Amino acid sequence: SQQGEEDPQALSIQEGENATMNCSYKTSINNLQWYRQNSGRGLVHLILIRSNEREKHSGRLRVTLDTSKKSSSLLITASRAADTASYFCATVFAGNMLTFGGGTRLMVKP
Amino acid sequence: GAGVSQSPSNKVTEKGKDVELRCDPISGHTALYWYRQRLGQGLEFLIYFQGNSAPDKSGLPSDRFSAERTGESVSTLTIQRTQQEDSAVYLCASTRQIQETQYFGPGTRLLVL
Repeated sequence: SQQGEEDPQALSIQEGENATMNCSYKTSINNLQWYRQNSGRGLVHLILIRSNEREKHSGRLRVTLDTSKKSSSLLITASRAADTASYFCATVFAGNMLTFGGGTRLMVKP
Repeated sequence: GAGVSQSPSNKVTEKGKDVELRCDPISGHTALYWYRQRLGQGLEFLIYFQGNSAPDKSGLPSDRFSAERTGESVSTLTIQRTQQEDSAVYLCASTRQIQETQYFGPGTRLLVL
């Protein structure tokens, strides 16, 4: 079974708006990572947040982590049509295997 | 090379045939992973190689699936007697240090007719 679950499964917004995606997981983690996937092919790493961190920024991305609620959120500000993709969260615990959720499909309309 | 490469990009095969998928990790990356992604789904872990340690095969769905890795270089994932349910994108990733960022290849899209 999947360790993480993203919410919502699909999100459609207008260019310039902010997009927020949530991820919940089940077990303790060492870190949580967000990835982006275009057209069902290779994944691109976006950001890694460790279990002792609460917030992290990278350009237009902001990730939060709440280990007490076992949840994380990814915020993309000032979205662009090029941000259209699927976004996955993945967790690492007791090893190096990433466990992925089912993803959020983001559509940004120009 | 600059990134993880995989070959072939696409593979169409007939049910019952064997297929071999190849992954070239980033040079210097000691760990290599194989994942499977069915259409519209998340990634499923298949197998993990770390240096000279015994691979973690806990994600392999059946004994028709096997993988090998030569040292810290190329890996091949073999699927014997393919079934239609094996149709998916097979993704390979490598990492320099454990529990850190994984770098993914473009994947091999397998279609079993």
